[in-house]
Formats: sequence, C-alpha cells, structure tokens
Amino acid sequence: QKEVEQNSGPLSVPEGAIASLNCTYSDRGSQSFFWYRQYSGKSPELIMFIYSNGDKEDGRFTAQLNKASQYVSLLIRDSQPSDSATYLCAVDQKLVFGTGTRLLVSP
Amino acid sequence: DGGITQSPKYLFRKEGQNVTLSCEQNLNHDAMYWYRQDPGQGLRLIYYSQIVNDFQKGDIAEGYSVSREKKESFPLTVTSAQKNPTAFYLCASTEREPNTGELFFGEGSRLTVL
Repeated sequence: QKEVEQNSGPLSVPEGAIASLNCTYSDRGSQSFFWYRQYSGKSPELIMFIYSNGDKEDGRFTAQLNKASQYVSLLIRDSQPSDSATYLCAVDQKLVFGTGTRLLVSP
Repeated sequence: DGGITQSPKYLFRKEGQNVTLSCEQNLNHDAMYWYRQDPGQGLRLIYYSQIVNDFQKGDIAEGYSVSREKKESFPLTVTSAQKNPTAFYLCASTEREPNTGELFFGEGSRLTVL
C-alpha cells in the first residue's frame, strides 16, 4: 500500500465550479499535510498546509483534514483556467508525496 | 533574492557516464533534499541532508550519491549504476523541522540519457 494516494485524474471541471481534490495516507501518526501545485515542466509551489482536524481557508482554497479517516482534501472555489495544473499532496517529515491529481478547468 | 539555484537546466548524458547536478541555496536553510520525478508521477525522495556533513538515503538512493560539505550546497551525482536515469530532478530546502514549514524548490534539472 502506497503511503500517500491520490487519484491521478484528470479531474475536469468547468470554469467557476468547485474542484475537489482528495488524498489518503497510511500512517495514522502523520501530523502535517501539504498541498503543492505544479504546472507542467515547472517545480512545485506550496498552496496550503494543515495540521489540525477541520477546515482551513485561504482565499479560494480550503484544505480539509480528517485524521480519523486519514484523508486530506483541497477544495478550489470559483475554479479558473489558470488553476489547471497537477496538485500534489505531501505528508509529514521527509514530505512523502502522492502521485498528484491533474486538474483541468475548461473556460 | 533568496532562493535555490539548480544547474544545468537540461543535461544529456551517454550511457555509462556519471553526471553531477548542482544545487545551491542562499536561504540559510539547514535541510536539503533531492527528488526525482518521472512523467505522470509524483516526487520520489533520493537523498536528504539535515545538517552539514550528514545525509540520509531516501526511497530510491541506489545509483545516486551526494555530498554536503557546505550548508549552501548539495550536489547530486547520477552514477552509471543508475539503470534508468532519464527524469526531472528537483532540489529543495527547508528549515530543519520540515513539518513546520514549506519546501522551497529549485527550477529543476531535466536529465536525458542518450
């Protein structure tokens, strides 16, 4: 079983819709969770991090963490074509990455 | 401007040759990392270093070597023992407690074996 799992996608949403990206992890002791965005051919950049159960909002982005169910999600409201990228979930020290979910936002 | 510089951006290598990828940071970060990314894949950890003169193997260290003689520098050597070295290589750094801060990435080095 992979330590961090994501659906590879692509996840296609129309402009203005909510995009929901999910990530599950295997280590119940994990404490910190990160979402990175990676445009094609570029390096990843941090969007959000979350440590506590519940929701954390930053602009159009909301990270949700449920430690009991061992999943973390990223919601993108009012999706824009510029949000089209691969979103990587990373967990804990050494920052173990999932394979990423490719998001396509159509105008 | 503070950041991480990787060089070269593109590199071609013949089979059987060793190649060294450079990574320099001026963020005064203690920890540095090397990741490999293959098409459609996530990042896999090759090596990491949390302090000068010390480094640890990651999940896919075979065929790679590193050194950490200076805080600012963490070069990666891809040796001829690495059977499938064609990939996108990313160097990153963070403060020593990575679970409290973000990874800062370089722009990457794309290695192609001819």
